[in-house]
Amino acid sequence: TQLLEQSPQFLSIQEGENLTVYCNSSSVFSSLQWYRQEPGEGPVLLVTVVTGGEVKKLKRLTFQFGDARKDSSLHITAAQPGDTGLYLCAGVPSGGYQKVTFGIGTKLQVIP
Amino acid sequence: GAVVSQHPSWVICKSGTSVKIECRSLDFQATTMFWYRQFPKQSLMLMATSNEGSKATYEQGVEKDKFLINHASLTLSTLTVTSAHPEDSSFYICSARRVGAPNTEAFFGQGTRLTVV
Repeated sequence: TQLLEQSPQFLSIQEGENLTVYCNSSSVFSSLQWYRQEPGEGPVLLVTVVTGGEVKKLKRLTFQFGDARKDSSLHITAAQPGDTGLYLCAGVPSGGYQKVTFGIGTKLQVIP
Repeated sequence: GAVVSQHPSWVICKSGTSVKIECRSLDFQATTMFWYRQFPKQSLMLMATSNEGSKATYEQGVEKDKFLINHASLTLSTLTVTSAHPEDSSFYICSARRVGAPNTEAFFGQGTRLTVV
């Protein structure tokens, strides 16, 4: 089983602050995905990164895939209360989505 | 976009009864659907992979006779929790992979909160 460690697991910040969430593994992934999950809802895909070193931006969110494709980070600039939620990273191995591994998630709370 | 709908969103049942959860892909055909379970403060754990027209593949430790999965069409998979017990209470989520889509892509339903009393 390929394990994904996310840190921090909990984060409470003031509106307007910046933050970074990390997703690390000792395994190499074919691609890595980030999801956001609201309470009582299913995860919603934010981004998929495929190439080592790849950086993708989604408005105030910046996602980076590590050069070795073992880790990833999510950086949020000027966090808003609407960013509150559980952020999950998911590693897709070369075998395909059947074997995707989810991190435990980072619970983010942005205080107005 | 690709929409996956689960029904019901929440259900409360008595211990010993069976509960069926439906997962539908509303605007695409899904060759493969995945069923997950998520406990509080834990990540999604894959229970089984269901392929249309064939038997589901269960992950280690998941009882196939307890969690019956049927994927009778390209748009519907069902998970039946048989003889439910309080320890089966959890958040069950399905995801579906679109026919012809990249191997990295799947879309999640909104989840079903099961409470067994």
